[in-house]
Amino acid sequence: KNQVEQSPQSLIILEGKNCTLQCNYTVSPFSNLRWYKQDTGRGPVSLTIMTFSENTKSNGRYTATLDADTKQSSLHITASQLSDSASYICVVSAGNAGNMLTFGGGTRLMVKP
Amino acid sequence: EPEVTQTPSHQVTQMGQEVILRCVPISNHLYFYWYRQILGQKVEFLVSFYNNEISEKSEIFDDQFSVERPDGSNFTLKIRSTKLEDSAMYFCATSAHQRNEQFFGPGTRLTVL
Repeated sequence: KNQVEQSPQSLIILEGKNCTLQCNYTVSPFSNLRWYKQDTGRGPVSLTIMTFSENTKSNGRYTATLDADTKQSSLHITASQLSDSASYICVVSAGNAGNMLTFGGGTRLMVKP
Repeated sequence: EPEVTQTPSHQVTQMGQEVILRCVPISNHLYFYWYRQILGQKVEFLVSFYNNEISEKSEIFDDQFSVERPDGSNFTLKIRSTKLEDSAMYFCATSAHQRNEQFFGPGTRLTVL
């Protein structure tokens, strides 16, 4: 069964600090991995999409990494801002089911002043 | 910037009643999806739709659910006879191509009493 696990479940950091969120997946065959940001009560917003051949991808202060061998990904947030407070969700797409995404449970990040 | 819209934002219904949730996709997108998120839980895939037919569906998407694109613009999710456990946020998402980024709508919060 395809699964995506994220850690930590929640994280509190001070404004201006960096943080790294982790994602482990067992999805086969792998197609791509996405990181989404979801504000409370809103739809997820895509941050990055990475395919098998990509090791890292940046989007502003967000940098995602992918290790397809160990089936791990991370999302690094640099110089956090109060507006970064949200849930960050790792989502993996299987190669034989390109439309169907498997979602992780998310990491709830709170940035405090 | 084009966006996916959903109506209503909140729907309250009695158990056993039929509900129709509506989504207006981004205009040049061809792939459409419905997801649900029960409060405090992961986002779950329901169904994908392309070329006026279902491409994939999950175990959740049983005979009580149906989707259609009745007028070439709106994409709807119908729940025939709602149950208490159908209470959730329902997100519509659309993409230009099968493996491209999916853009999510703001969601419809369905409450079944």
